[in-house]
Amino acid sequence: GAVVSQHPSWVICKSGTSVKIECRSLDFQATTMFWYRQFPKQSLMLMATSNEGSKATYEQGVEKDKFLINHASLTLSTLTVTSAHPEDSSFYICSARGGGSRNNEQFFGPGTRLTVL
Amino acid sequence: AQSVAQPEDQVNVAEGNPLTVKCTYSVSGNPYLFWYVQYPNRGLQFLLKYITGDNLVKGSYGFEAEFNKSQTSFHLKKPSALVSDSALYFCAVRATYSGNTPLVFGKGTRLSVIA
Repeated sequence: GAVVSQHPSWVICKSGTSVKIECRSLDFQATTMFWYRQFPKQSLMLMATSNEGSKATYEQGVEKDKFLINHASLTLSTLTVTSAHPEDSSFYICSARGGGSRNNEQFFGPGTRLTVL
Repeated sequence: AQSVAQPEDQVNVAEGNPLTVKCTYSVSGNPYLFWYVQYPNRGLQFLLKYITGDNLVKGSYGFEAEFNKSQTSFHLKKPSALVSDSALYFCAVRATYSGNTPLVFGKGTRLSVIA
């Protein structure tokens, strides 16, 4: 199957700083990438959908100025949590979908645990 | 709008017994249905999917799921549970008509297999 990586796997930062999380599709071109957020013992909540070279589409209630998403290439998307606060602490999971024969498949990264002190 | 319901927060089963994790869905048109498993502090691992064809789908680690259109259900099953099956299980659905339509997840069901 296709491989999606995330970096870093975990990060601890001080309140007010910004954190960037990278998501890469390692062996396929991801036409669409999704960012999810998961709180402890809860489901994955979709934050935004991004297509390569265009602006991300954010779900209702997600602040686009706080969660900056860049999908600069077909293999890389980044999520930047700006001016992070303790309530932003969560498990962030990216997902990538490829075209062609992979069009129905959505592959998930291993997740990034963010802790804001 | 598409949605998934997993009515059970927790399922407990003895090792060696059959297990069922329930899932019902709501979607316009024909659904794509998926099951994923998540271990602590890990991402999601794909178990199986239903796209079309045979209603009984077989997946990884001996799991299977049955698509029931009339009941809009896609329950996950395994004939004989293992302690190592203990994890968080998510059912997900995606409508077929848009390539950008994301997977929508249920709230998850925690499976605990007791030795």
